[in-house]
Amino acid sequence: DSGVTQTPKHLITATGQRVTLRCSPRSGDLSVYWYQQSLDQGLQFLIQYYNGEERAKGNILERFSAQQFPDLHSELNLSSLELGDSALYFCASSVGLAGFSAETQYFGPGTRLLVL
Amino acid sequence: GQQLNQSPQSMFIQEGEDVSMNCTSSSIFNTWLWYKQDPGEGPVLLIALYKAGELTSNGRLTAQFGITRKDSFLNISASIPSDVGIYFCAGGYNKLIFGAGTRLAVHP
Repeated sequence: DSGVTQTPKHLITATGQRVTLRCSPRSGDLSVYWYQQSLDQGLQFLIQYYNGEERAKGNILERFSAQQFPDLHSELNLSSLELGDSALYFCASSVGLAGFSAETQYFGPGTRLLVL
Repeated sequence: GQQLNQSPQSMFIQEGEDVSMNCTSSSIFNTWLWYKQDPGEGPVLLIALYKAGELTSNGRLTAQFGITRKDSFLNISASIPSDVGIYFCAGGYNKLIFGAGTRLAVHP
């Protein structure tokens, strides 16, 4: 158990709908990262938050948005869903030390999204 | 920007065989990490390396941080069926990037 929790575990929805994925980082971690993994693909970095502020952006679509709340949990919002958005969505967290360093990330169990 | 190449893409081996996979980067890294992902699950950290030349073991797994700081390898000795999965390397200097993964299949 990494200490990172994600809900829900599974999500089935229809095209055009909007969903929210939730992540709670490990106790004490300030940074949260979101990744998308399509079938048999690698991990695509979407976005990072540090202590409530957006820190880095990857290949995140404009239809997707995220935020990190004062209690440090994070939500990823996916809107106007398309069939191609079906994937595993992972959250990871790290300590969030200041300065430049590639910190060790700990992953949650993921949310499997199926868009029909 | 930073680029990371992981090889091989996939491996199919017999139980009991040793396995080796590696990652190379286009620039110097200060961190190398190795993760394993079981189907439908989140990646689990296996080994973390923070110093050039560092050699670290975790059971039957051994990983090394290359002395050039541009590569790392992971070895699995005496493979067993539960070693099946996708192994990701990750590394970086000011941010972490992930390799595309090595898919390992073990035939009993």
